Amino acid sequence: DAKTTQPPSMDCAEGRAANLPCNHSTISGNEYVYWYRQIHSQGPQYIIHGLKNNETNEMASLIITEDRKSSTLILPHATLRDTAVYYCIVRVAIIKAAGNKLTFGGGTRVLVKP
Amino acid sequence: DTEVTQTPKHLVMGMTNKKSLKCEQHMGHRAMYWYKQKAKKPPELMFVYSYEKLSINESVPSRFSPECPNSSLLNLHLHALQPEDSALYLCASSQDLGLDGSGNTGELFFGEGSRLTVL
Repeated sequence: DAKTTQPPSMDCAEGRAANLPCNHSTISGNEYVYWYRQIHSQGPQYIIHGLKNNETNEMASLIITEDRKSSTLILPHATLRDTAVYYCIVRVAIIKAAGNKLTFGGGTRVLVKP
Repeated sequence: DTEVTQTPKHLVMGMTNKKSLKCEQHMGHRAMYWYKQKAKKPPELMFVYSYEKLSINESVPSRFSPECPNSSLLNLHLHALQPEDSALYLCASSQDLGLDGSGNTGELFFGEGSRLTVL
């Protein structure tokens, strides 16, 4: 699976949009971009994923550049409960009977401030 | 029910003890995982089970022994651990189907973890 690079930490203001960048310059054509977050003392939580097109769900939006070498996770209105470590992960589409080999990188520690 | 339940939440054991961590899900998922997480580090994959068969072992020492007795249960048997094995052990599950447009997101559902301390 391709390696990802994320800033180690960032602060954002409550109520404002939080834009979390991720570089994945060695991504292959069959690799998806996944975002998970881990709130303190909890297990990681799936946020969103995408292949080429931008994606949006109730939690966030994912913007993938046309060359797919980077992406941005957007939390539209950050709340204090969004304080967490956010992981950007790229991986191939699952191979049946092999499981999802999800490999976490360092992540970005996001602190939402009042 | 979208929960992955792990027990116990906390475990303290000596280096000569034998203990087990348990994980249960009732979402009909056919893939289950063990991850290990040290403080302020990302989770590291240990084992993947797919359809009750071990499909990935990330070169984990034999003092960790996984077991998948059925599609809902996953155990991690611990024996002769070292203090450096102290960590948060996370269990996860997924549908284990291809991202084939069937609506499967490939999402892993994680439990809250079992925090292990080896004395």
